[in-house]
Amino acid sequence: ETGVTQTPRHLVMGMTNKKSLKCEQHLGHNAMYWYKQSAKKPLELMFVYNFKEQTENNSVPSRFSPECPNSSHLFLHLHTLQPEDSALYLCASSQEWGPNTEAFFGQGTRLTVV
Amino acid sequence: GQNIDQPTEMTATEGAIVQINCTYQTSGFNGLFWYQQHAGEAPTFLSYNVLDGLEEKGRFSSFLSRSKGYSYLLLKELQMKDSASYLCAVSTERGKFQFGAGTQVVVTP
Repeated sequence: ETGVTQTPRHLVMGMTNKKSLKCEQHLGHNAMYWYKQSAKKPLELMFVYNFKEQTENNSVPSRFSPECPNSSHLFLHLHTLQPEDSALYLCASSQEWGPNTEAFFGQGTRLTVV
Repeated sequence: GQNIDQPTEMTATEGAIVQINCTYQTSGFNGLFWYQQHAGEAPTFLSYNVLDGLEEKGRFSSFLSRSKGYSYLLLKELQMKDSASYLCAVSTERGKFQFGAGTQVVVTP
């Protein structure tokens, strides 16, 4: 248990569906992140939020829409996804948005787009 | 561009030592992290190096040479539970981590 909880753990959705991934951290951290992990590929940073403000959007397609209502919760809204978006989506948090602060990861949501 | 290279897979026997190398070429450097990720689980933090040299933590040690853009993670007295993927990550600037693709370590009896 890392203190970062993601739901659901597994999700299968059609290309026309709309779904949301949820992340909650109980560590009192101020920065939260979304990463995409595809098989045999490096983790790709998608979004960074620091004190609820989005500070990074790493050229992510608009079919992925993040939302950070407070420092403890982070959502990733999905719509009209493509099969190549199938991957493990990891949420992470860190104490602050700094260069040497370790990130704590959730267990991820395994997304399959059919 | 950003580039972090590490071997895809390594196999070693229980009780042995394995060294996982990581080379990086990044536009910025604020430290290098190693994470362990078991199948189906979250990556967990193992070590952080920002200065040159060796950091030892029990059976795990991590080394950094900034001039060579090189790090390694040393796993000693391997146990079956050490079978996992090991991720090398560079903090390139505030809030940004560049990850390698991971090295799958297989420990055999």
